[in-house]
Amino acid sequence: DIVMTQSPDSLAVSLGERVTINCKSSQSVFYSSDNKNYLAWYQQKPGQPPKLLFYWASTRESGVPDRFSGSGSGTDFTLTISSLQTEDLAVYYCQQYHTTPSTFGQGTKLVIK
Amino acid sequence: EVQLVESGGGLVQPGGSLRLSCAASGFTFSTYAMSWVRQAPGKGLEWVSAISGYGGRTYYGDSLRGRFTISRDNSNNRLYLQMNSLTAEDTAVYYCAKDPIFKGYFDYWGQGTLVTVSS
Repeated sequence: DIVMTQSPDSLAVSLGERVTINCKSSQSVFYSSDNKNYLAWYQQKPGQPPKLLFYWASTRESGVPDRFSGSGSGTDFTLTISSLQTEDLAVYYCQQYHTTPSTFGQGTKLVIK
Repeated sequence: EVQLVESGGGLVQPGGSLRLSCAASGFTFSTYAMSWVRQAPGKGLEWVSAISGYGGRTYYGDSLRGRFTISRDNSNNRLYLQMNSLTAEDTAVYYCAKDPIFKGYFDYWGQGTLVTVSS
C-alpha cells in the first residue's frame, strides 16, 4: 500500500498567518499517461464529514476559497492557506487514489496559537 | 442538491453482523461509483470499499476482504455495506461517499453512522 505521511501532525497558527501543510507519498502518485497527480485534500471540522478541497493535487473544488491552494507532484505535495481565517481551523487530510487501496495521511490539525 | 444519508449503525457484539445503508439523492445515482470510508474514534480516515456505478466491479481494503460486502440498488438509489465477523477494530463512524471517477477522490460525503463493536 502507498503510505501517506503528513507534516506536521499539529500546527499552532495565528489568524492571518500563512499556513503550509506537507504530504509525502511512499511512491509516486503521478501517472504520465494522463499527466495527473492522483492526490486529493480534505478539510474536516469536529463532528462533520470531510470536505473535498482539491483533487488532481491542484484543482480547487467548487466553492473553496481562493486563499487555499494545492501544489506538488510525484511524491511531495503541499496545501497552503494564504491567510488563515477562524473557519479554517480544522484537520486536513491528503489522500492518494493512484493505487488501490486508496490511502489517507494521518491528518494535520490546525489550532490557534 | 446532493444528499447522502447513512443508517444502520449501532452497538453490536464481537462476531456479529450489521448492514449499513446509504440513501442518495440529488444526482443520477446509477452513473456514479460510490465508496465507504470509515473513521475510528479520534483517528484518521480509512477507505473501506468501492463499487462501480452499475455494481459490476467492487473493491475492498486489504483487511476487509471476505468480511464486508458492498452492494447497491440503483432502482432505489441506495448503497449498502454488509459487515460480518465484526471486531472491536471495526468500531468507527462509517461514511458513504460519492466517487466521481471510481476508486478516486470523494466529492460528497454523508454525515456518517456510528458502529460500535463491544460486548
